[in-house]
Amino acid sequence: IAGITQAPTSQILAAGRRMTLRCTQDMRHNAMYWYRQDLGLGLRLIHYSNTAGTTGKGEVPDGYSVSRANTDDFPLTLASAVPSQTSVYFCASSETGGRADTQYFGPGTRLTVL
Amino acid sequence: AQSVAQPEDQVNVAEGNPLTVKCTYSVSGNPYLFWYVQYPNRGLQFLLKYITGDNLVKGSYGFEAEFNKSQTSFHLKKPSALVSDSALYFCAVRDTGGRNTPLVFGKGTRLSVIA
Repeated sequence: IAGITQAPTSQILAAGRRMTLRCTQDMRHNAMYWYRQDLGLGLRLIHYSNTAGTTGKGEVPDGYSVSRANTDDFPLTLASAVPSQTSVYFCASSETGGRADTQYFGPGTRLTVL
Repeated sequence: AQSVAQPEDQVNVAEGNPLTVKCTYSVSGNPYLFWYVQYPNRGLQFLLKYITGDNLVKGSYGFEAEFNKSQTSFHLKKPSALVSDSALYFCAVRDTGGRNTPLVFGKGTRLSVIA
C-alpha cells in the first residue's frame, strides 16, 4: 500500500514559470489537503477538498490553485511562481474531512523558485 | 480563532530519561488535539490524538499525551527516550466550534536525544 505519493520529489524553478505538483492517494479518502512547511512557521494550509468536485481555500491560498476531478488525485498549481513560494509542500488526506479525522501525509516536494 | 503554541524550539534529553514536549492551545469550542512526528526529509507521521474521553492518550512508539482542559495543554511524554526518537514534533488543534475550521499546527519542537 503506497498511501500518498507526491511528484516531483524536488524541483528548481525559474520565477514566472508555471508548475504543477502532483498528489495521488490510494486509500479512497474523501478529503485531501495541501500544506506548505517553512522554517519557524510550521505547516500552513493552502487549499483543501472535502470530496471530489469541491475545493476550498486555506490560510495561504494566494498564488495557488487546485482541482479535484476524482477521489485519488489533487494537483496543486503555481500559475506564475515567485521566490516566496520556495518551500516544502506536503499533500495529506483524511477519510471523511471531519474534524476528528487523522490526516495522513505524503513525503513532500521541495520546491525552489529562483 | 484557534491557535496552538509549542513554547520550546528545541528539547534535549539524555537517552533513557523521560521526555516532555509541551503544547498549549486556544479554541472557541472544544479541541481535537493531535501530535505528529517528522523525521528528516520525510512527511509527518501521526502519533496520537485526543477526541474525547480519557485525558491520557496512548499512541505509537510508546508516546502518550495528557489533555488538561484547565491549563489548555496537551503535552507529549515518553517515560524513557531513545536516540531514534530524535525528530521534529508538531502539535495540532482543530476547533469543534465554528464553520470549516482547519487543522492548525504549531511551529514544531526539535527533540534531540543524546546517547
